[in-house]
Amino acid sequence: LAKTTQPISMDSYEGQEVNITCSHNNIATNDYITWYQQFPSQGPRFIIQGYKTKVTNEVASLFIPADRKSSTLSLPRVSLSDTAVYYCLVATGRRALTFGSGTRLQVQP
Amino acid sequence: EPEVTQTPSHQVTQMGQEVILRCVPISNHLYFYWYRQILGQKVEFLVSFYNNEISEKSEIFDDQFSVERPDGSNFTLKIRSTKLEDSAMYFCASSGLTYRSGEQYFGPGTRLTVT
Repeated sequence: LAKTTQPISMDSYEGQEVNITCSHNNIATNDYITWYQQFPSQGPRFIIQGYKTKVTNEVASLFIPADRKSSTLSLPRVSLSDTAVYYCLVATGRRALTFGSGTRLQVQP
Repeated sequence: EPEVTQTPSHQVTQMGQEVILRCVPISNHLYFYWYRQILGQKVEFLVSFYNNEISEKSEIFDDQFSVERPDGSNFTLKIRSTKLEDSAMYFCASSGLTYRSGEQYFGPGTRLTVT
């Protein structure tokens, strides 16, 4: 399974847009890029998933370039409640998810 | 919105004892998973289960562990003889028919403390 690399931590302020980039150089044809959010002492929560180009939902946008070797999760106008760990994963079908260390996002007032 | 539930929220047990962690997946989901997260560490996959069989398991999931779907709603993880290093948050997850690759719904977790 393709390994992912993402920043260990990021800081932002309320109301700003936050972009978290993840690299997955060895992504395979059948792999999808998936992002999860985790608050302390809670289970991970699925945010968004995509294969290529751009995907948007009510929470976030996901940008994937044509070569699919990286992806960017975009959180518009973050609030204090967006302070969490964000995981970029490469997933195939219903197989096990492999979590890395994630990006710890701290949103300041 | 449907959600995965887990009981108990916190379990304290003595080393060597057996524990059973319980999960109720989302009702129309068919694929079930257990993960664990030791404090301050990554979420680690344990096992996946489909059609009353284990479909995938990790190296962590050794003979000490077992899973069962005893009825139409519950999914359990049994740890036969707990060790101190089994202390962790255990998360159950499920996924359903309208599934997107990588989309799993996680429960709130059971914090297992082995003393």
